[in-house]
Amino acid sequence: GAVVSQHPSRVICKSGTSVKIECRSLDFQATTMFWYRQFPKKSLMLMATSNEGSKATYEQGVEKDKFLINHASLTLSTLTVTSAHPEDSSFYICSAKDTGNSPLHFGNGTRLTVT
Amino acid sequence: EDQVTQSPEALRLQEGESSSLNCSYTVSGLRGLFWYRQDPGKGPEFLFTLYSAGEEKEKERLKATLTKKESFLHITAPKPEDSATYLCAVQGGGGADGLTFGKGTHLIIQP
Repeated sequence: GAVVSQHPSRVICKSGTSVKIECRSLDFQATTMFWYRQFPKKSLMLMATSNEGSKATYEQGVEKDKFLINHASLTLSTLTVTSAHPEDSSFYICSAKDTGNSPLHFGNGTRLTVT
Repeated sequence: EDQVTQSPEALRLQEGESSSLNCSYTVSGLRGLFWYRQDPGKGPEFLFTLYSAGEEKEKERLKATLTKKESFLHITAPKPEDSATYLCAVQGGGGADGLTFGKGTHLIIQP
């Protein structure tokens, strides 16, 4: 089945630094990947749609300069949280699907803690 | 704007005690309704996709059903390993492929 790998699973960084999260589709090619953010006891909130070879599409209210997305290949998308602050601490999850009619498959998430 | 409301927020059952989780939705042009299972600290794991009212799908002790306004996830004779948060999501007809999720139902099955 479709496998999505996300790395790292946990990261702690200091306020003001940048953190990069990788999302890989291991056994399929994904022209589109999605980045979600999840707060405790809240819904997964779609942040942006990552398109291979083109600019990401950001949801309303998501700062594109803070959350940089790069989808340089059909199997890799990265999310960089720039100049991180404590309020950016959250659980970030990526997802992808391998064909038009297949469901989204999710990575195991990255727990970001900004101190 | 697509909306998904799940109830109850939390549910505690005894092992073997069957129940149902509810997912109410409003969406412009439903392309799919999805159920996922999420364990603590993990990403969602796909369970079912439903496309049209009247459709039903089953997997082990789980059965998902769909009407024009809501979906139910029925759990029959649950076991402790079924404990998890169950998420419902919809994909609308707006062209984008991203999903709109509900807050989930946190299910605990006590032995």
